[in-house]
Amino acid sequence: GNSVTQMEGPVTLSEEAFLTINCTYTATGYPSLFWYVQYPGEGLQLLLKATKADDKGSNKGFEATYRKETTSFHLEKGSVQVSDSAVYFCALNSRNTGNQFYFGTGTSLTVIP
Amino acid sequence: GAGVSQSPSNKVTEKGKDVELRCDPISGHTALYWYRQSLGQGLEFLIYFQGNSAPDKSGLPSDRFSAERTGGSVSTLTIQRTQQEDSAVYLCASSFLDSTDTQYFGPGTRLTVL
Repeated sequence: GNSVTQMEGPVTLSEEAFLTINCTYTATGYPSLFWYVQYPGEGLQLLLKATKADDKGSNKGFEATYRKETTSFHLEKGSVQVSDSAVYFCALNSRNTGNQFYFGTGTSLTVIP
Repeated sequence: GAGVSQSPSNKVTEKGKDVELRCDPISGHTALYWYRQSLGQGLEFLIYFQGNSAPDKSGLPSDRFSAERTGGSVSTLTIQRTQQEDSAVYLCASSFLDSTDTQYFGPGTRLTVL
């Protein structure tokens, strides 16, 4: 079956630290991969996505590369800011299963000045 | 409207009662999704509409759950004979064409079953 596993939080970092949030997946076929973010008091919004192997999604300084060989889509940012404090969700979509989306449990990030 | 809207924002109901949750997607978006987020859990996919059709309803947790979409726009998620384990935040999202497009999420409906 399809599933997403992401590292458990909460994660607390100092401003300008390097961020990695691990995400691995299990899927049939060739899924698309996504990172969504939920800022405090706001709804979920797309952060970045990759639709095929070796694609790199990037947005707001965040990056994630679709690695088919390791079934991973780790989220990285070189220098986090206080405004990056949020909950981050890794997700996959598989057309093989009727366009169902599978989300991870979310990783809470707090960046302190 | 400017974004996806959902109503009500909060719903408290008694066990055994039926509830109806509403989603208004962004105008022109043909794809619509329902999810459930329980406390401390990730998002659980419930159902996906392309236009008025739901090709796959297998994500619905039980036969007490049903959803429909009319006119390619508004969708309602109905839960019959609610149980306490149905308590969660129900999220709706829409996208322009299909699942590879960006999904825009609504603020959610927080359902509490007493």
